[in-house]
Amino acid sequence: EAEVAQSPRYKITEKSQAVAFWCDPISGHATLYWYRQILGQGPELLVQFQDESVVDDSQLPKDRFSAERLKGVDSTLKIQPAELGDSAMYLCASSFTLGNAEAFFGQGTRLTVV
Amino acid sequence: QKEVEQNSGPLSVPEGAIASLNCTYSDRGSQSFFWYRQYSGKSPELIMSIYSNGDKEDGRFTAQLNKASQYVSLLIRDSQPSDSATYLCAVNYMNTGFQKLVFGTGTRLLVSP
Repeated sequence: EAEVAQSPRYKITEKSQAVAFWCDPISGHATLYWYRQILGQGPELLVQFQDESVVDDSQLPKDRFSAERLKGVDSTLKIQPAELGDSAMYLCASSFTLGNAEAFFGQGTRLTVV
Repeated sequence: QKEVEQNSGPLSVPEGAIASLNCTYSDRGSQSFFWYRQYSGKSPELIMSIYSNGDKEDGRFTAQLNKASQYVSLLIRDSQPSDSATYLCAVNYMNTGFQKLVFGTGTRLLVSP
């Protein structure tokens, strides 16, 4: 069964350090999403790609966060420097295309900043 | 105003009962609607999608959509303790030329044996 792959599953980092998350979407899925979910809240969209292009990064804190999907397949989300408030679950999802297609999530990366 | 609104709960139902989860959304142009289930510490799992007014049934789950009232609901029949989870409503809507998938805060469901 096709799945969205994410790594690492868990990450503990000290504040001011750099951290990176990786996502490999379901094969053939052109749309890739990065969400952040704080405990007790719904997922918040950070960035959305269509192939290799960013279509929405309006909620991405660009002073410290960056995201790329260079070949339109896998993607990396980076935080530098990490802050205590960045502790959350970082979720990657993909869908076949932009629009009404269903989105499927990976297992997520639980980040703890100490 | 939040784009997708859900009651955070918890909604408590006894085993075997019908659980009714509700969601309202703000953008009248929204075209697609999804329900995800999320167990504690896990990622969201898609359980239902609905695109047109009316009911859509899949096993014990029924999604209901009323675009005029901007209202989506999820009914779970014969609720089981294993259904205890947070249910997230998600809505796809147009935002400056492209579509954006927005989630509510989720409703926590507790099914007691």
